Amino acid sequence: GDSVTQMEGPVTLSEEAFLTINCTYTATGYPSLFWYVQYPGEGLQLLLKATKADDKGSNKGFEATYRKETTSFHLEKGSVQVSDSAVYFCALSDRGGNDYKLSFGAGTTVTVRA
Amino acid sequence: ETGVTQTPRHLVMGMTNKKSLKCEQHLGHNAMYWYKQSAKKPLELMFVYNFKEQTENNSVPSRFSPECPNSSHLFLHLHTLQPEDSALYLCASSQGIGFNNEQFFGPGTRLTVL
Repeated sequence: GDSVTQMEGPVTLSEEAFLTINCTYTATGYPSLFWYVQYPGEGLQLLLKATKADDKGSNKGFEATYRKETTSFHLEKGSVQVSDSAVYFCALSDRGGNDYKLSFGAGTTVTVRA
Repeated sequence: ETGVTQTPRHLVMGMTNKKSLKCEQHLGHNAMYWYKQSAKKPLELMFVYNFKEQTENNSVPSRFSPECPNSSHLFLHLHTLQPEDSALYLCASSQGIGFNNEQFFGPGTRLTVL
């Protein structure tokens, strides 16, 4: 079945540091890939997405590239801010079957210190 | 109100209680979802409704009973829960249920079962 594996946290960084959160996936079809972010006390928000191989999703300074050869969708940001402290979830939606089902990773908690 | 709202935000109940969670979306969407978010585990999809019809029951125990009276409202009725049911319950909605339909999440209800 479809699954997503992302690096375990927590991750603690200083402001302006570089952030990478690794995400790899297993899918039977041709999935779309997503990064969601959950700020404290809030629901999940879509951060970025990519729908085919080599696509790059970007938003708010975050980027992730859909790498089919390595089945990866790593999230990166060059210079984090305190306001980026949140839980980040990698997810996929596979077109091969129940394509509305989002399969999520376990989430990575990121804390940015001033 | 905008987006997806959930009430109550926090709920504490005993194992013999009956309670209900409410979700309302103000986005004009046609599909609504219930997810369970437990600590350090991936989000678990529980139920999916499309145009008020249930299209997915992801092997959820019968002590959880969903109700979707219209496309804007979704309820989760709770009865004789167990302590392991304590979690954050998230509601989401989307325009449709295709793989490119972004899901918008509510802030969740933090449920504690004593």
